[in-house]
Amino acid sequence: AQSVTQPDIHITVSEGASLELRCNYSYGATPYLFWYVQSPGQGLQLLLKYFSGDTLVQGIKGFEAEFKRSQSSFNLRKPSVHWSDAAEYFCAVGGRGYSTLTFGKGTMLLVSP
Amino acid sequence: GAVVSQHPSRVICKSGTSVKIECRSLDFQATTMFWYRQFPKKSLMLMATSNEGSKATYEQGVEKDKFLINHASLTLSTLTVTSAHPEDSSFYICSASPGPFSGINEQFFGPGTRLTVL
Repeated sequence: AQSVTQPDIHITVSEGASLELRCNYSYGATPYLFWYVQSPGQGLQLLLKYFSGDTLVQGIKGFEAEFKRSQSSFNLRKPSVHWSDAAEYFCAVGGRGYSTLTFGKGTMLLVSP
Repeated sequence: GAVVSQHPSRVICKSGTSVKIECRSLDFQATTMFWYRQFPKKSLMLMATSNEGSKATYEQGVEKDKFLINHASLTLSTLTVTSAHPEDSSFYICSASPGPFSGINEQFFGPGTRLTVL
């Protein structure tokens, strides 16, 4: 069975500081990996995705993520956090040939002045 | 491109009534649509997967008679919460996918519907 672990429920980062949100997955085959962001009361916005190829993926809003197969990880990073980045972040895994997505429990990012 | 809408965005209803939520893919044909439920401060829980023209596949523990899903066209799926009770209050999110033969293996999410049952 596929699963996603986001070990940090909350993270607080100072504005302008760097950010890394952790994501570990379990999947029996080559995974498709996604990061989504959700503002309160809103739907999900796709930040970036990994299907194949270069393991360092660039996304919107200055985010990037690196797929590390040996560590079953897909951590999200941003070099300098802005106050508007405060939101809930979800990592998700799916499979090739089309399948359902499994989401992690999310990490709430708080940005301090 | 790949825009998914949901209607209504918010709905308040009395206990015992039924509520219908629509999910539309606005600029693509969605072979498959998914319905999720999200409890406060929780992750998304997949409720069911629906393919156009066929019956929905429900996840374990989801009552199919309670949550009726219809995917009558390639751009519209509806979720009807029948005889709603306060415990059905939640945030419901749909997603849509062009399907495996489109070459796009991705789900596009709607903005969600906040259901409050009094």
